[in-house]
Amino acid sequence: EIVLTQSPATLSLSPGERATLSCRASQSVSSYLAWYQQKPGQAPRLLIYDASNRATGIPARFSGSGSGTDFTLTISSLEPEDFAVYYCQQRSNWPPLYTFGQGTKLEIK
Amino acid sequence: QVQLVQSGAEVKKPGASVKVSCKASGYTFTSYDINWVRQATGQGLEWMGWMNPNSGNTGYAQKFQGRVTMTRNTSISTAYMELSSLRSEDTAVYYCARGADYYAGWGQGTLVTVSS
Repeated sequence: EIVLTQSPATLSLSPGERATLSCRASQSVSSYLAWYQQKPGQAPRLLIYDASNRATGIPARFSGSGSGTDFTLTISSLEPEDFAVYYCQQRSNWPPLYTFGQGTKLEIK
Repeated sequence: QVQLVQSGAEVKKPGASVKVSCKASGYTFTSYDINWVRQATGQGLEWMGWMNPNSGNTGYAQKFQGRVTMTRNTSISTAYMELSSLRSEDTAVYYCARGADYYAGWGQGTLVTVSS
């Protein structure tokens, strides 16, 4: 089973700052990596798929990069609504099995 | 617009089973996999399994093998997740999510509480 490790567990930043979130896989997942944002009491929302493609309606300040085992979600300039928990998720080739990282909480400093 | 509407909250006793439904609208139900993900209070997301609504094929996380069953009724565009032999650790919000490699649409979540 592929394990995804996210770092840091908590990131404290101020609005306007740049956020860099990391997701590392225990073995290569090619580009089958997605990022989600979750706010309290809400379902997760897809931000990035296939490592670097923004989902529909996602602002350009969100970007994803990486391949293989190391991935990054970058928020170029934090808006107040960006403070939330972020999860990465991977899909293995066959059989299709999925795992999530443990999450990074992005909090206001 | 794409919508996934789940059934309401459930309270179950240890050892019982629960069946959660997920009704799809706004797209062709058989064209996209349905996945189930759960989240215990204050915890992260845990993937449980997937189902292809067209073929009925399923794949389950090893942790849930033998306890979870995912089915569908294509005539009413509804997917189901049944979890048996419930224990207190199964208390969580259960989500259905649409997609294969990634999940662009999610249900609102169903709280399942397991308590004696």
